[in-house]
Amino acid sequence: DAGVTQSPTHLIKTRGQQVTLRCSPKSGHDTVSWYQQALGQGPQFIFQYYEEEERQRGNFPDRFSGHQFPNYSSELNVNALLLGDSALYLCASSPPTASTEAFFGQGTRLTVV
Amino acid sequence: GNSVTQMEGPVTLSEEAFLTINCTYTATGYPSLFWYVQYPGEGLQLLLKATKADDKGSNKGFEATYRKETTSFHLEKGSVQVSDSAVYFCALSRTTSGTYKYIFGTGTRLKVLA
Repeated sequence: DAGVTQSPTHLIKTRGQQVTLRCSPKSGHDTVSWYQQALGQGPQFIFQYYEEEERQRGNFPDRFSGHQFPNYSSELNVNALLLGDSALYLCASSPPTASTEAFFGQGTRLTVV
Repeated sequence: GNSVTQMEGPVTLSEEAFLTINCTYTATGYPSLFWYVQYPGEGLQLLLKATKADDKGSNKGFEATYRKETTSFHLEKGSVQVSDSAVYFCALSRTTSGTYKYIFGTGTRLKVLA
C-alpha cells in the first residue's frame, strides 16, 4: 500500500505566480483534506473534498481552490502567490466508513520568492 | 471555538529520561484526541488516539489519557530514546454533519541526547 502520496516534494515559485499541488489518497479512501503548515507552526485546515465537492473550508482566501477527481485524487491550486504562502502543504485522506482517523502524506514544501 | 494548546518547546532530555508533553483543549461536545509525530523533512504520522473520555491511547511506549474533567491529553513516555527526537503535535477532531477537520496545536520539539 503506497499510502498518501503528494507531488512535487519541493517547489519554488515567484510572487504572483500560480501553483498546483497534487495528492493521491491511500487506497480505499474517498475523502481528501488539505492543510497548510507554516514554519514552526501546526497545520491549518484549508478545505476538504468528498465526492468531488468541497465539503468544508477553513479560513483561507479564495486564492486557494481545489478539485477532486473521480479516482479520489485531488489538487490544490493557489493563485497570485504571496511570500506568506511559503509553507509545507499536507494532504490527508480518510476512509468512507465513519472514522476521524486521517492519514497524511509527506507534504509539498512550497517556497515563494 | 475549538482550540488546542500544548507546551512550548524545545524539550531537551537525556536518553532514558521520563517524558511529559502537556496538551489541553477547548471544544464543544466530545472531540476525538490525537498525538501526531513529525520527523525532519516528513509529514505527520499518527502516534496514538483516544475517542472518548477516560480512553487511554498507547503506541511504541507512548501513552495519553483523555481527561474530560481537565480537558487534557498529556503525552507520556517512561524512557525516551534518541530516535524519539521529533516534533509532536496534539490535535482534536470533531465530526459535524458527517464532516470533520483536525485542529492542531503549535507542536513541541523534543530533542533526546545520548
